[in-house]
Amino acid sequence: QQQVKQSPQSLIVQKGGISIINCAYENTAFDYFPWYQQFPGKGPALLIAIRPDVSEKKEGRFTISFNKSAKQFSLHIMDSQPGDSATYFCAASGGNKLVFGAGTILRVKS
Amino acid sequence: KAGVTQTPRYLIKTRGQQVTLSCSPISGHRSVSWYQQTPGQGLQFLFEYFSETQRNKGNFPGRFSGRQFSNSRSEMNVSTLELGDSALYLCASSLSRWGDGNTIYFGEGSWLTVV
Repeated sequence: QQQVKQSPQSLIVQKGGISIINCAYENTAFDYFPWYQQFPGKGPALLIAIRPDVSEKKEGRFTISFNKSAKQFSLHIMDSQPGDSATYFCAASGGNKLVFGAGTILRVKS
Repeated sequence: KAGVTQTPRYLIKTRGQQVTLSCSPISGHRSVSWYQQTPGQGLQFLFEYFSETQRNKGNFPGRFSGRQFSNSRSEMNVSTLELGDSALYLCASSLSRWGDGNTIYFGEGSWLTVV
């Protein structure tokens, strides 16, 4: 119940394409869903986050889609660029719990 | 506003030794959590501290310990180091407990190599 399942494990996208990473959770106490971006040798940095009272949040080329009934949320990166190549982690928190997904290694080919 | 500061950034230790890592949270943040990250293993939760008290603990052996001081700064200690302890150790801070839906901010990490 405390797991967040993230897929795919790795992803290769052509420059200009759309990158999509999915996460699913089970604990209905979760009420905050952030995404983190991590470059090699760096700590994860907050990218974008959403609360379940909205179904979508967009910041620049990054969009979170949230489906409360399915308990799923996803990150969409539009017009993917080589500089977006990094590891992406989804997370879910609430009820004094914080759980991270296993991470997705994204490579954007130029 | 300064971010989360971790020291040292890099260190090499020998098997059997112990190590202490330090973390200074963002000013005003009272919660500090620690994570171990190894290649391909994601973020493994170690502990969460809030108001100088350990609030949550991950599934790590007792060789891993930590503490938080009254100024919210935190240290973690690993005793009797093993080769498998080689990893990036990340500290993160948030205003209050991370389970309250607050954003957590990570430091750059401390790279530990055990030889």
